[in-house]
Amino acid sequence: GQNIDQPTEMTATEGAIVQINCTYQTSGFNGLFWYQQHAGEAPTFLSYNVLDGLEEKGRFSSFLSRSKGYSYLLLKELQMKDSASYLCAVRGVNQAGTALIFGKGTTLSVSS
Amino acid sequence: NAGVTQTPKFQVLKTGQSMTLQCAQDMNHEYMSWYRQDPGMGLRLIHYSVGAGITDQGEVPNGYNVSRSTTEDFPLRLLSAAPSQTSVYFCASSYSPGNTDTQYFGPGTRLTVL
Repeated sequence: GQNIDQPTEMTATEGAIVQINCTYQTSGFNGLFWYQQHAGEAPTFLSYNVLDGLEEKGRFSSFLSRSKGYSYLLLKELQMKDSASYLCAVRGVNQAGTALIFGKGTTLSVSS
Repeated sequence: NAGVTQTPKFQVLKTGQSMTLQCAQDMNHEYMSWYRQDPGMGLRLIHYSVGAGITDQGEVPNGYNVSRSTTEDFPLRLLSAAPSQTSVYFCASSYSPGNTDTQYFGPGTRLTVL
């Protein structure tokens, strides 16, 4: 079956670093995406990994280990505006072709 | 570019009513899809299309129909609304379903079925 797991909720303080983990079991693997979704809004793209290793984009980094079925999103120098839901999604192979399979999301609350 | 647009933003239906959720994109994207998002369930794929005239089912297609007569438009039809279809519906598009292609999401339609 297809399964993507990530923590339901996390809390952190401004200026801190937080790591959001994602583990996956899918039929096939064609890349892993991270999306950010503020309450009441649409998801927006953050990062994409298809090869093992770390991808860095400013304050955000994403890591992938395909052999372990594991990824994390690292957020540095947290700001209040980073309070949002973070969605891990895997492009797998299922009855929907190569569509994205989403985890349930991690709600991050950043406090001052 | 307007990106991905969806109408209406909010809708209330009675059980048994039918309606169409509209989705349009102006980026000449081949790939379009519909998701529903429910609390604690994440985003689930309803239907998708890899080009005009081609559609296929996703994870949760029952109760929904789609068509793709043009590249730009991908409407989602609820045939006979049920309370279980109360959800937030997102339309998404990408240039192709290729490996590195990012999906862009519309603002969503919040549907309540009474």
